[in-house]
Amino acid sequence: GQQLNQSPQSMFIQEGEDVSMNCTSSSIFNTWLWYKQEPGEGPVLLIALYKAGELTSNGRLTAQFGITRKDSFLNISASIPSDVGIYFCAGPPGAGGTSYGKLTFGQGTILTVHP
Amino acid sequence: GAGVSQSPSNKVTEKGKDVELRCDPISGHTALYWYRQSLGQGLEFLIYFQGNSAPDKSGLPSDRFSAERTGGSVSTLTIQRTQQEDSAVYLCASSLGGLGNTIYFGEGSWLTVV
Repeated sequence: GQQLNQSPQSMFIQEGEDVSMNCTSSSIFNTWLWYKQEPGEGPVLLIALYKAGELTSNGRLTAQFGITRKDSFLNISASIPSDVGIYFCAGPPGAGGTSYGKLTFGQGTILTVHP
Repeated sequence: GAGVSQSPSNKVTEKGKDVELRCDPISGHTALYWYRQSLGQGLEFLIYFQGNSAPDKSGLPSDRFSAERTGGSVSTLTIQRTQQEDSAVYLCASSLGGLGNTIYFGEGSWLTVV
């Protein structure tokens, strides 16, 4: 089946630094989603992208839907300690419809922010 | 409650026993999903309910796994004859259904099979 590959697997950064992570696929996705999961919690949606080339921001977070539809990037500017968590990319295989509920997730990027 | 509610939050069971995990979705959400997250891994799709349609069971790993959704609301995920490899966090989520509607996750049920 379709797989999403995230990199890096983990990041250790200083507070205030910018962060960049990406997600690639061997097949086309028509929607890209970025989630954050904190310990003991379920994933929470950060940004949703629906159009190739789309660039969307949510506060200090910016995500882009790659023009090839096979990749996506998430950037976090001026990181703070509460940015700590696991960041997942995800997308529904196929063009939508009933397949929309069946998300494929990347393996996650673990972010640690040192004060 | 305001969010997706799951119970139990933690369950330790002996190998070979059956377990039931419960999910109470957000009120009014027609779509309900079950995912499994093994330690250090991403989420693995298990099953998806949408309204009165037949569920998409394509992610269930074996016939020991089954799920029901009664009255279009509460769902139960049942694992029969549990194995150690079933140990994981089982996450339930719900949404209004359809493309573009945010999927909200519960906090998960942590299952440990000993």
